[in-house]
Amino acid sequence: DIVMTQTPLSLSVTPGQPASISCKSSQSLLHSDGKTYLYWYLQKPGQSPQLLIYEVSSRFSGVPDRFSGSGSGTDFTLKISRVEAEDVGVYYCMQGIHLPRTFGQGTKVDIK
Amino acid sequence: EVLLVESGGGLVQPGGSLRLSCAASGFTFSSYWMSWVRQAPGKGLEWVANIKQDGSEKDYVDSVKGRFTISRDNAKNSLYLQMNSLRAEDTAVYYCARDKGWACSSGSCHTTYLDHWGQGALVTVSS
Repeated sequence: DIVMTQTPLSLSVTPGQPASISCKSSQSLLHSDGKTYLYWYLQKPGQSPQLLIYEVSSRFSGVPDRFSGSGSGTDFTLKISRVEAEDVGVYYCMQGIHLPRTFGQGTKVDIK
Repeated sequence: EVLLVESGGGLVQPGGSLRLSCAASGFTFSSYWMSWVRQAPGKGLEWVANIKQDGSEKDYVDSVKGRFTISRDNAKNSLYLQMNSLRAEDTAVYYCARDKGWACSSGSCHTTYLDHWGQGALVTVSS
């Protein structure tokens, strides 16, 4: 199975400041079809996960443009340009190139 | 609006059985693969199983193979997870989710991500 490793595991951010989360996969997520199957989810407190980013850098419907994804191969980053109070929760990366789909351990983001 | 509502969770003894249901609405259920994902208390996410639109193909994570069975009833817009021989380590919130995307290699294809999730159903395995 592909292992997904996130860093840091927790992050405390001042509102209005940027935040960045790293995700590394144990195998390349670049498929022969040219797409890279890396996704980001946010699980807000007491809620189910919600999709933020698909295929590395595409924002899902309704996701604010302060969220951006980048990376290639095995190294990926989620950036929040200006953190807001509603962004608190646990962020997970997930690979979709091979079954079983696997998730990172999660990065907990809270507000200072 | 896509809506997924799980039910059927509860407390069960080790070795027991439980059946989860997921009622889908707001989209054409029969057109999508569907998945179950679980989250142990205070832990991360683990994909459990998924099923093709017509139920003819199913995949499972190794830890539940032979014990869990995913199924669906498109006439009822419902997804199910039959869980047998339950263990303490199966204790988790179980989410149903809609599959999206498609990737093929060496003649084998699968969905690539989950775009909508239900609110979850808690399953506790304890004596």
